[in-house]
Amino acid sequence: EDQVTQSPEALRLQEGESSSLNCSYTVSGLRGLFWYRQDPGKGPEFLFTLYSAGEEKEKERLKATLTKKESFLHITAPKPEDSATYLCAVQPVSLGRGSTLGRLYFGRGTQLTVWP
Amino acid sequence: DTGVSQDPRHKITKRGQNVTFRCDPISEHNRLYWYRQTLGQGPEFLTYFQNEAQLEKSRLLSDRFSAERPKGSFSTLEIQRTEQGDSAMYLCASSRTRDGQETQYFGPGTRLLVL
Repeated sequence: EDQVTQSPEALRLQEGESSSLNCSYTVSGLRGLFWYRQDPGKGPEFLFTLYSAGEEKEKERLKATLTKKESFLHITAPKPEDSATYLCAVQPVSLGRGSTLGRLYFGRGTQLTVWP
Repeated sequence: DTGVSQDPRHKITKRGQNVTFRCDPISEHNRLYWYRQTLGQGPEFLTYFQNEAQLEKSRLLSDRFSAERPKGSFSTLEIQRTEQGDSAMYLCASSRTRDGQETQYFGPGTRLLVL
């Protein structure tokens, strides 16, 4: 069964203290791995898509990397406004017979708090 | 793009009542997804449409749940005879497939509380 596990569940950082969030996955075949940011009471906001092992993407203080079994979201010199829950999701490859299943399987998220 | 919109943003209802939520996707997005999220959990897939066709439904979607997407535009999710366990955030996402790749963009969600 396809599974996504994120760690740690919660992370508290001082402003400027860099760290990494982990997302490990078990999927029959990976079409894409997605990172989203979610603020309290709001819908997830898209950050990155990674498609193949070795791929990296950056946006401001965030950098996402992908291996065959896990992905990391590196946060460099975080600021209080980076505080949010970060969600990882995988999209398995579609089955045969022309089907194009697109559902995402999400982890439970890492709740990041950055204090001044 | 104006983004995915959902209505209402909040709904409080009594157990046994029916509720209906609406989702308006990003224009020209051919796929529309419904997810449900409870506190401390990631979103869980419910169902999705490609244009007006409902292509997949999760086992989570009991027979009290029904979704439609007439004319491949907006979508509605109806829950009949609501139960307290239906209390959750209902999220809608839309996407457009291109070269076998797609990114799902989420709306703000509808928070349902069943008393």
